[in-house]
Formats: sequence, structure tokens, C-alpha cells
Amino acid sequence: QITLKESGPTLVKPTQTLTLTCTFSGFSLTTTGVGVGWIRQPPGKALEWLALIYWNDDKRYSPSLKSRLTIIKDTSKNQVVLTMTDVHPEDTATYYCAHRGHSDGLPYWFFDLWGRGTLITVSS
Amino acid sequence: DIVMTQSPDSLAVSLGERATITCKSSQSVLYTSNNKNYLAWYQQKPGQPPNLLIFWASTRESGVPDRFSGSGSGTDFTLTISSLQAEDVAVYYCQQYYSTPPTFGQGTKVEIK
Repeated sequence: QITLKESGPTLVKPTQTLTLTCTFSGFSLTTTGVGVGWIRQPPGKALEWLALIYWNDDKRYSPSLKSRLTIIKDTSKNQVVLTMTDVHPEDTATYYCAHRGHSDGLPYWFFDLWGRGTLITVSS
Repeated sequence: DIVMTQSPDSLAVSLGERATITCKSSQSVLYTSNNKNYLAWYQQKPGQPPNLLIFWASTRESGVPDRFSGSGSGTDFTLTISSLQAEDVAVYYCQQYYSTPPTFGQGTKVEIK
């Protein structure tokens, strides 16, 4: 059974760096094709994809946020960490990590399992 | 980026009636080499994360009731709930995965009339 759980601070001040951790179980980020992504959702708004890391340590970022994001993995701890620098009040959102979906044994860019999310508020 | 536009933003449907949501992409998400539409649908209930319902525009995820169906090709897609149940009250999102970044529609809220 695959599970993912996000953790991080609930409150961050503007201009600070936000660090979020996704701890997962039920799969390995060393298995070919596996990927874990981060998606956020401002209160009452739509979903926005942020970043994804592959089993081979390849990384993809949202073009609009690329300069502020870093994603890394720690396979020994089954964790994926996302850092966002210079946060603004507009970064207030629920942040989700999610497992990249597969079809016929191949990975694709939909997300079949999600964590419950963590609400991050950016405010002074 | 591919822009996904859903309509309507919200709809109210009587229990047992049909609910239909449309999703339009700013460019085709049909990959001609395998004839697959790179389009997924998610359901998000209040206070919960999104739940994958459909991928390849029409393939139901395991465990999804068959009252949910997806159709369409190219740039125009539809999610249909054939007989609305109380537990279907949620916001529904489409997502294209044809190109990165993957992008989502703005969501459609489904309520009981």
C-alpha cells in the first residue's frame, strides 16, 4: 500500500525559505520510472504543479517558479524534500506530494496517489 | 504551457440525475503515435486531497464507480456522472499530461440541487 505524508512549518515569514518534506512508503524511489511530485493549492483555488523528481535523480520544475525551487530525494529515508526560497503571501497554500502514475508498466505525468497535504501560511 | 479551461465553474444536479463537466485544452493533447489523449480527471472532496478518477481521457482508475465516465479527444473532453450520488459532491479537475508543465483546469464544483 502506497502512502505519502507531507510535513513542514505551518507559518513562514515573507522572504524566508520554506522546506517541505514528503515521507512515503510502499514504493522505492530507486525503481526505474518512479517519480514523486509536489503540487500546491491556494485556499479555494486550483491546483498548481511545482516540481517532480525521478528515480534517476532527474528533476523538473515549474517554469514560473524554477528559480525559487529545489527538489531532492533521500532514498535511505524514503523522503523527498522541496525548498522554496523568498516566500511571499501568495505562496500560502496547501502543499501536496504525489506519486506519479503508471499505465501498462510505463510512467506518465498524472498522479495516482496523493498525501493529505500540509497548509502553509506565509505571513509576518 | 497548455491552458485547461473547464465549464461550468459550478453546477447543481438532482440526486440520480446526470452531471456533465467539460474541459477544453489550448492545444491538442492527443499523441498521434499511440492515439492516446493525455488527459486525466480528479475528484476532490472537501478537506481531502485530489483523487484520480480517469486517465487517458476515458480509462477509469481501479475502484472508481462506473457511473463516472470520460470522453473526448484532441482539445475537448467531458466527464459525466451518470446518476449523481450524495457522495459525489466535490470539485472536479481535469489535467493534461501531454507536455510539461502538467496543468490543471480551474475546477468545477458539483452540488446537489
